[in-house]
Amino acid sequence: DGGITQSPKYLFRKEGQNVTLSCEQNLNHDAMYWYRQDPGQGLRLIYYSQIVNDFQKGDIAEGYSVSREKKESFPLTVTSAQKNPTAFYLCASSPREAGRETQYFGPGTRLLVL
Amino acid sequence: AQSVTQPDIHITVSEGASLELRCNYSYGATPYLFWYVQSPGQGLQLLLKYFSGDTLVQGIKGFEAEFKRSQSSFNLRKPSVHWSDAAEYFCAVALDTGRRALTFGSGTRLQVQP
Repeated sequence: DGGITQSPKYLFRKEGQNVTLSCEQNLNHDAMYWYRQDPGQGLRLIYYSQIVNDFQKGDIAEGYSVSREKKESFPLTVTSAQKNPTAFYLCASSPREAGRETQYFGPGTRLLVL
Repeated sequence: AQSVTQPDIHITVSEGASLELRCNYSYGATPYLFWYVQSPGQGLQLLLKYFSGDTLVQGIKGFEAEFKRSQSSFNLRKPSVHWSDAAEYFCAVALDTGRRALTFGSGTRLQVQP
């Protein structure tokens, strides 16, 4: 089945620790995105990548880093510089062809601070 | 600045009643428009989308939405709500140029009474 997988489902971070959230898609989509969701709020864009080996900062990139070495994968690292990382993190992907840029979402990773 | 507004934070309807969820956007041009649904602790599922053409769009699960350019609105409707429709609903917009990432409203939580 084609889709987007995120792992782990739950992740715990200690003070000063970097953690990495995985996002993999087998939809053959060029574009991938990371969003953060806080309670009672909509999603906010962290980083996005429209093609392999290229990515751009979104609206709340501080304290996060990404890489895009493969088309299928777009891991997100939450660094120790992110002072309030507790949130629900959602990965999405989409085609880039005009008129087909619908984003499809993974099941999410919930990050908690110990 | 570009924005998406969902004025209703929480709506309660009786099962079998009709539903309308409001969404207004502020963009310089007509964006791509989407409605997503999210069950607790889950990712987002696409209900429907509008890119161009017919302003009344049919989606999954019996939902429809109407794009009204003059009102900058994209309201979601369902003629008869089922208990399984209880969830959070997000309106989102994307431009057809540049980063193409989604800008989300803050969501409307739907509760269905028996």
